Amino acid sequence: QKEVEQNSGPLSVPEGAIASLNCTYSDRVSQSFFWYRQYSGKSPELIMSIYSNGDKEDGRFTAQLNKASQYVSLLIRDSQPSDSATYLCAVSINNNDMRFGAGTRLTVKP
Amino acid sequence: GAVVSQHPSWVICKSGTSVKIECRSLDFQATTMFWYRQFPKQSLMLMATSNEGSKATYEQGVEKDKFLINHASLTLSTLTVTSAHPEDSSFYICSALQTRRSGTQYFGPGTRLLVL
Repeated sequence: QKEVEQNSGPLSVPEGAIASLNCTYSDRVSQSFFWYRQYSGKSPELIMSIYSNGDKEDGRFTAQLNKASQYVSLLIRDSQPSDSATYLCAVSINNNDMRFGAGTRLTVKP
Repeated sequence: GAVVSQHPSWVICKSGTSVKIECRSLDFQATTMFWYRQFPKQSLMLMATSNEGSKATYEQGVEKDKFLINHASLTLSTLTVTSAHPEDSSFYICSALQTRRSGTQYFGPGTRLLVL
């Protein structure tokens, strides 16, 4: 079992819709959770970090964490074509180790 | 804050030459930096973890004698691809660990290497 699993996609949503990206992780002692966005040909950029159960909102983005079920998700409201990218889920057990999922490719169609 | 730079952004070299890539954390100190490689349409692959003042830790299958890592200061790590060959052509990305933000990694813009 992979440490961090994501559906590779592609996930396609129409402009204005909600995009839902999911991620599961295997290590129960994981403490910190991150979502990165990577545009084609570019390096990843941090979108959100979440450390405790529940929801965390930042603009159009909402991260959700459920440690009991070992999943973390990212919701993108009012999706825009500029949101089309690969979204990487990352999980950190301690401050010195982070494991990445393979990423979910999102396409927002105008 | 939390800006990481890489230099050069792209490099073309002849087979057999060595290439050095620099990774700098511009506004924070990073005792730990990471080096990744990414081939087209594939996911990030961690190559090694670079710790300031100590030897790097390499992932399984990564040749430490081919990919030399030096982390001589709290803001600079370098990756040297020795005797580069066409199969080493890839997108090399570094990241720096911001421990004050619960272990968040901030990525550099990447270096695209093409070996002819």
